[in-house]
Amino acid sequence: SQQGEEDPQALSIQEGENATMNCSYKTSINNLQWYRQNSGRGLVHLILIRSNEREKHSGRLRVTLDTSKKSSSLLITASRAADTASYFCATTMNRDDKIIFGKGTRLHILP
Amino acid sequence: SAVISQKPSRDICQRGTSLTIQCQVDSQVTMMFWYRQQPGQSLTLIATANQGSEATYESGFVIDKFPISRPNLTFSTLTVSNMSPEDSSIYLCSAGDSVWSPLHFGNGTRLTVT
Repeated sequence: SQQGEEDPQALSIQEGENATMNCSYKTSINNLQWYRQNSGRGLVHLILIRSNEREKHSGRLRVTLDTSKKSSSLLITASRAADTASYFCATTMNRDDKIIFGKGTRLHILP
Repeated sequence: SAVISQKPSRDICQRGTSLTIQCQVDSQVTMMFWYRQQPGQSLTLIATANQGSEATYESGFVIDKFPISRPNLTFSTLTVSNMSPEDSSIYLCSAGDSVWSPLHFGNGTRLTVT
């Protein structure tokens, strides 16, 4: 079953622009992770944010978490063609030992 | 970070047959999971592979259809039994130390059942 819902489902932007993807979830979580999947490949972990954190940065990535709204956002700044991929949020619920993925956002960077 | 090798990378199988997918991790890991992904869709958790004991299956998945083995901390197999065209999908193995750490993924097995 899906815990997270990404928004938008698909996003096309010009190279150099910023891309923002959102994830909403339904129940209380321990942590939230973002993954990237290039076509035909497995997923690659991008960033993990704990439930007591509000913001994390990693290079061109910025993740925010609002537990009161049960939502997270992933911002990719200065997008590049290589950022074209699907992006998934994944959550671990309290007292749980599994990771559930959202539906994903397909990001396409236009040259 | 762990490197995961998954075999086969793809296969085309006849309905009614079974296929076993292997997942090898280059280091010992605590947790191993099997997911299914339809092309262009999200991942659905099939089960958690438990070392030395029966796998923990998610709702909608049963051991008779998807038997899983995990004989040690670096290896697991998933068998898709008595296949039908509805089983056509991408099957992904993943591994990690805990739900607080990143999951590492294999490149998946693309299964087509005819």
